[in-house]
Amino acid sequence: NAGVTQTPKFQVLKTGQSMTLQCAQDMNHNSMYWYRQDPGMGLRLIYYSASEGTTDKGEVPNGYNVSRLNKREFSLRLESAAPSQTSVYFCASSDSWSGDSYEQYFGPGTRLTVT
Amino acid sequence: QKEVEQNSGPLSVPEGAIASLNCTYSDRVSQSFFWYRQYSGKSPELIMSIYSNGDKEDGRFTAQLNKASQYVSLLIRDSQPSDSATYLCAVRRGYNKLIFGAGTRLAVHP
Repeated sequence: NAGVTQTPKFQVLKTGQSMTLQCAQDMNHNSMYWYRQDPGMGLRLIYYSASEGTTDKGEVPNGYNVSRLNKREFSLRLESAAPSQTSVYFCASSDSWSGDSYEQYFGPGTRLTVT
Repeated sequence: QKEVEQNSGPLSVPEGAIASLNCTYSDRVSQSFFWYRQYSGKSPELIMSIYSNGDKEDGRFTAQLNKASQYVSLLIRDSQPSDSATYLCAVRRGYNKLIFGAGTRLAVHP
């Protein structure tokens, strides 16, 4: 099992360019998430998908869009990149909440720089 | 006030000592709590979860939860240099979202 995979690992964009970050999981999880991590800020939720066919905004959704392509794949799109979107982006997945269990597993991350 | 607060550190402990990492949270109805370890340049890795008041032990790690005081802690016994990392506390909010603290950097020196 690869777990959660993300592509690309690194990306440099110019202001105004667009790109899509890809995420896939092979754990048959229902829920998937996109976070960004900035120094001193911890992980902040951008968007999440509780199940296939649904997406919801998180804490910092402005400037991003998402697509839950199928149960395995969840993509994050930057339509017009801005320097403020320079960050490390993590995708995560979890099984549906059952009882008390709610554990998220993270991909390796994408390091994005916008110049 | 942040929803989940952690001392940013660095917390410096000698090899073999007990490292104690603390986290407080503001939402009194939170039920599920998690500790993640993150090495520099890597992704967060789940190391402990705790749902009930009291202690939960897993190897050298012990998570402690006190819902009345709204804090959760992580103890690392016999600390090793390989434990040097940033430790993130996370609290579940609502159906399926986690709120993360900014993390505490732990440095274990030989």
